[in-house]
Amino acid sequence: DGGITQSPKYLFRKEGQNVTLSCEQNLNHDAMYWYRQDPGQGLRLIYYSQIVNDFQKGDIAEGYSVSREKKESFPLTVTSAQKNPTAFYLCASSMFKGGAKNIQYFGAGTRLSVL
Amino acid sequence: KQEVTQIPAALSVPEGENLVLNCSFTDSAIYNLQWFRQDPGKGLTSLLLIQSSQREQTSGRLNASLDKSSGRSTLYIAASQPGDSATYLCAVNLDNQGGKLIFGQGTELSVKP
Repeated sequence: DGGITQSPKYLFRKEGQNVTLSCEQNLNHDAMYWYRQDPGQGLRLIYYSQIVNDFQKGDIAEGYSVSREKKESFPLTVTSAQKNPTAFYLCASSMFKGGAKNIQYFGAGTRLSVL
Repeated sequence: KQEVTQIPAALSVPEGENLVLNCSFTDSAIYNLQWFRQDPGKGLTSLLLIQSSQREQTSGRLNASLDKSSGRSTLYIAASQPGDSATYLCAVNLDNQGGKLIFGQGTELSVKP
């Protein structure tokens, strides 16, 4: 089964705690992305990575960190510095690093709530 | 700064009706524009991608058009069905931005039987 797997589906964070969201893809895609979605809004880019061991900040990177040690994996850590982490988090991947045919494929998402 | 706007925010139509969803963007320098579907609590599914050199793309009952000069795209859904009920999002892929997408807020569509 090819695709993007996000886990867990639901996650709860205590105040002052760091939590990590998992994203794994077996599509052999080069690029991976993390987006945040708030109710009634579109997606906003947190971080993206075009190649292993390299990643770039998106529009709302503060309070988040990522790593890209393997092509298949792009975990996102929500740190205690992120004061409003409650949201729906979506991971995506694409075959091309850029260009006209950069179709992005999405995982099912992780819903993060604060206890 | 590129901004993407979708109007209306919500739309309710009776089954069988043809409908149009609108998407506008402020900067015409885009690589492509994508339309996605999102079911409640789920991830996004890509519906159509229009390259900057194209005017439209079709898939089944869906037709998406692109007018770069005016900064507009439309998604036309023919003969709507209750199963089409979902949120539809458009997103633009910017030049030289490594594949980053800028999303609109979405249009929540409800098709009533």
